[in-house]
Amino acid sequence: DQQVKQNSPSLSVQEGRISILNCDYTNSMFDYFLWYKKYPAEGPTFLISISSIKDKNEDGRFTVFLNKSAKHLSLHIVPSQPGDSAVYFCAASADDYKLSFGAGTTVTVRA
Amino acid sequence: KAGVTQTPRYLIKTRGQQVTLSCSPISGHRSVSWYQQTPGQGLQFLFEYFSETQRNKGNFPGRFSGRQFSNSRSEMNVSTLELGDSALYLCASNPSGGRASNEQFFGPGTRLTVL
Repeated sequence: DQQVKQNSPSLSVQEGRISILNCDYTNSMFDYFLWYKKYPAEGPTFLISISSIKDKNEDGRFTVFLNKSAKHLSLHIVPSQPGDSAVYFCAASADDYKLSFGAGTTVTVRA
Repeated sequence: KAGVTQTPRYLIKTRGQQVTLSCSPISGHRSVSWYQQTPGQGLQFLFEYFSETQRNKGNFPGRFSGRQFSNSRSEMNVSTLELGDSALYLCASNPSGGRASNEQFFGPGTRLTVL
């Protein structure tokens, strides 16, 4: 049972424009959400996170928005750069020592 | 500080065999988690260890097992391999041993191919 869903397997965006990645979850016990970025042949690296007590968290070009009532979060990358081309995973955590991941969205930034 | 290391990086096995994968966490990290990544499925949680104790286990059959040693290094074992076990197996370590909301540091993974 996939409790975290990323319904867009891929996203193509022009360099300098905004990338918006979406994620939905079903488990109301999730109270911490994270985004990871993964390049080929490397493990995922932590990008940004948000606690359920907040609705927005910003770190440089990356902003995560959380809508708890809709059980939806999104990651905005502004402006998109060629180095942002990677697979992005949304993950969620309840108080159980594990992360539940989405299937990932492959972002391609076009020059 | 060295990152999470996993050995071997690549492995080819045949159906019915068993395999052991190894993970060395970042020095000082006491929590180690294992995930399976397959195309279209994202990362699926296998298990998490802290101080040699398994604290949580994902929905995988009993053929998948793991353990953690006193130096925090961890191994996972898959017995009676099936074709569907072909995947990238990722290990992650956590600095505080607290809940998974803390940032997890991933290794590069072991690519297992079952023929």
